Amino acid sequence: DTGVSQDPRHKITKRGQNVTFRCDPISEHNRLYWYRQTLGQGPEFLTYFQNEAQLEKSRLLSDRFSAERPKGSFSTLEIQRTEQGDSAMYLCASSKQGNQPQHFGDGTRLSIL
Amino acid sequence: AQSVTQPDIHITVSEGASLELRCNYSYGATPYLFWYVQSPGQGLQLLLKYFSGDTLVQGIKGFEAEFKRSQSSFNLRKPSVHWSDAAEYFCAVDLRENKLVFGAGTILRVKS
Repeated sequence: DTGVSQDPRHKITKRGQNVTFRCDPISEHNRLYWYRQTLGQGPEFLTYFQNEAQLEKSRLLSDRFSAERPKGSFSTLEIQRTEQGDSAMYLCASSKQGNQPQHFGDGTRLSIL
Repeated sequence: AQSVTQPDIHITVSEGASLELRCNYSYGATPYLFWYVQSPGQGLQLLLKYFSGDTLVQGIKGFEAEFKRSQSSFNLRKPSVHWSDAAEYFCAVDLRENKLVFGAGTILRVKS
């Protein structure tokens, strides 16, 4: 069990640029989740996949955000035309199907200049 | 409104003292319940979980939590705190909707 891996750990970019984050879940986990955490708050749910199917998206996920999990393994989260308010920690988690806890990666911290 | 409340933003305890972190939820049904810990700049580590059964659950690092249905609470406890326990602690609920709802967190400081 190598844990959930996220890349990059930190991303600094200028407002208006596009960014893409990657998440590699624990290998036998078929569910994958994205959360966003701003300073002083708990994580907030963005979206989740079961295998390659994206089954739910939060209203927090504006049309500038897109997530994919093309082969049911790793996932990417892309933010287009970044804004100051996108600055946050983006956390990925994975779990097995059923009543199983979610295991989190170390996150990608995004800073918008 | 449905929510998860952690009433204490900061708690400071002396090393070796006991600890209790509070968590209350306001949902009609009993959710699945979790406690996670987060060190600065890191992701969340699962401490313990409650799905059903025995209302006192044991977790890692000497932590335990008790589910009290009548109080809609799931408080985290540790009998003797170590300096390495300093971190931020999050209570979370799963309404069987395949997503976690988190409280705002409690920052634990440990005095030596």
